[in-house]
Formats: sequence, structure tokens, C-alpha cells
Amino acid sequence: NAGVTQTPKFRVLKTGQSMTLLCAQDMNHEYMYWYRQDPGMGLRLIHYSVGEGTTAKGEVPDGYNVSRLKKQNFLLGLESAAPSQTSVYFCASSDGYGANVLTFGAGSRLTVL
Amino acid sequence: QQQVKQSPQSLIVQKGGIPIINCAYENTAFDYFPWYQQFPGKGPALLIAIRPDVSEKKEGRFTISFNKSAKQFSLHIMDSQPGDSATYFCAALANEKLTFGTGTRLTIIP
Repeated sequence: NAGVTQTPKFRVLKTGQSMTLLCAQDMNHEYMYWYRQDPGMGLRLIHYSVGEGTTAKGEVPDGYNVSRLKKQNFLLGLESAAPSQTSVYFCASSDGYGANVLTFGAGSRLTVL
Repeated sequence: QQQVKQSPQSLIVQKGGIPIINCAYENTAFDYFPWYQQFPGKGPALLIAIRPDVSEKKEGRFTISFNKSAKQFSLHIMDSQPGDSATYFCAALANEKLTFGTGTRLTIIP
């Protein structure tokens, strides 16, 4: 049981570069979420999806885009990375009965120089 | 704007003691209040949760106390162990989205 898998685990980017974080879940969950975790700020919701083909903005969506073309995958894109996007990114999924029980991935640490 | 306020930021307790972590919220639309536990290098994992129609919930050594009128809830860890050392996040759910507190780094010393 893999659960929620995030790739890559670590990445260093230069300002202005683009990249995509991939989240894959094998639990047939409807809902998927992208959070960022920063010291002293907890987990903040970037974007989320309530089903295949849907996306919605969270608390801090600026500078990020997402896509949910397949139910099991949720991609987070940075078109032009900025140092302020240096963070640990967590993907999570839930079974469709709301976000009652989120299953998180292990995180992706991104550094933007 | 922090919708869920969590305190303290860090906490050191001796083994066997009872650490208490507090959270407060303003949004009355929140209808589910979970606590997540996170170990270094791992993602958060659900620890225990409560709905606002009950005032207390216990699961093993972990207890949530909930005060709906004060819009506050807290986590108590009975007979704390060094293995409980982790970061704890409270959260609140509304409209299919979880809002997290800022986290408490708990250290249990032997």
C-alpha cells in the first residue's frame, strides 16, 4: 500500500525556472490537496480538487497552477519560481466525504535560489 | 489572517507529564476539528478528531476537550512518552477544506 506518493522529494531551482510536483494516490480517493509548510505558519492550502477534472483555489494560490487530469494524480506547477516559494510541499487525499481524514504524502522540499 | 490560532509554539514536558496544546477559532462554519501529528521528515497523520456536538473525546492516551461557546479546543496527552515528541497541528474543517493551526513542537524528556 503506497498511499500518497510525491515526486521529487527534493529539488533546487533557480529564480525564474519552472517545475512540476507530482502527487499520486492509489486509494481511489476523490479529493486531493496541495499544502505548503513553512516554519511558524503551519500548513497552508494552495489548491485542491474535489474530483477528476476539477480544481479550486485555496488560501495561497498565487504563483501556482494545478491539474487533475486523472483521478489518481494531482500536479502542482510553478511557472516562474521565486525565492518566496522555498518550502516543503505536501500533497494529501481524502475519500470524498470531505477532508475528514487526510492522508498525506512524505513531502517535497523545494529550494529556490 | 490566521483562522485557527494555536499555542504554545513549543512545549517541553517531562516523561509522564500531561502536555496541553490549545487552539481557538472564529469561524462558526467549522464543523469538525482534527489533530494531526507529524514526525520529522514525514507528512502529518491524523491523531484524533472531534465534532462540536460533544465536549470531550478520548482515544488511548489522547483526549480532545471542546468548548463550543468559547470556540476553543485542546489536546491533552496523558502519561506522555519520549515517543510522543513530534509537532502537533490542530485543524478545523469547513466547505471541504481543512484550515490548520501553526503547530506546536512537543518534546518529552526522559
